[in-house]
Amino acid sequence: ETGVTQSPTHLIKTRGQQVTLRCSSQSGHNTVSWYQQALGQGPQFIFQYYREEENGRGNFPPRFSGLQFPNYSSELNVNALELDDSALYLCASSLPGQGSSYGYTFGSGTRLTVV
Amino acid sequence: GEDVEQSLFLSVREGDSSVINCTYTDSSSTYLYWYKQEPGAGLQLLTYIFSNMDMKQDQRLTVLLNKKDKHLSLRIADTQTGDSAIYFCAEVGNTPLVFGKGTRLSVIA
Repeated sequence: ETGVTQSPTHLIKTRGQQVTLRCSSQSGHNTVSWYQQALGQGPQFIFQYYREEENGRGNFPPRFSGLQFPNYSSELNVNALELDDSALYLCASSLPGQGSSYGYTFGSGTRLTVV
Repeated sequence: GEDVEQSLFLSVREGDSSVINCTYTDSSSTYLYWYKQEPGAGLQLLTYIFSNMDMKQDQRLTVLLNKKDKHLSLRIADTQTGDSAIYFCAEVGNTPLVFGKGTRLSVIA
């Protein structure tokens, strides 16, 4: 059974650029959620994908968008990068529904630095 | 709305018990989780409790839930230096996983 893998692990981008982060979900999990964790903060929910459709969104602007593919892997795209977008971006896969005893399995994250 | 509060720091001596507290606001929460984050790493699920339970024990970990007060705690028995990390409580309600800001546990040898 493989866990959640994210790529790349680190990334440096310039303000105004666009970035794509990738996530492969754990085997058997068909729901993917993305979180932003700023330094010293808890992770903040960006959005969730289920069956290739967005299934819930947190308080993030439209320049944060995503995709889910038939194999349940997912991408997070951020346009017009701002300095405040610098953070650890975490992907979590899960079973559908309001939680389960299996919880949400997290990847190790992508550390994005915007300069 | 949903909000999860935790104290930010806890320091204990090796071998003592650690108790990390958390309060949440969403009364519709179904599962409550405790995650551990080590430096530079992602989140590791430690344990969970379902909302109709009062207590759950898992080896050195004991979770207590007071649903009336919306209070959750994690007790780590015989705390070791390897337990030094940031601990997050998280609730699942209408939003998938709402996290607190985390409690940084420092274990003094």
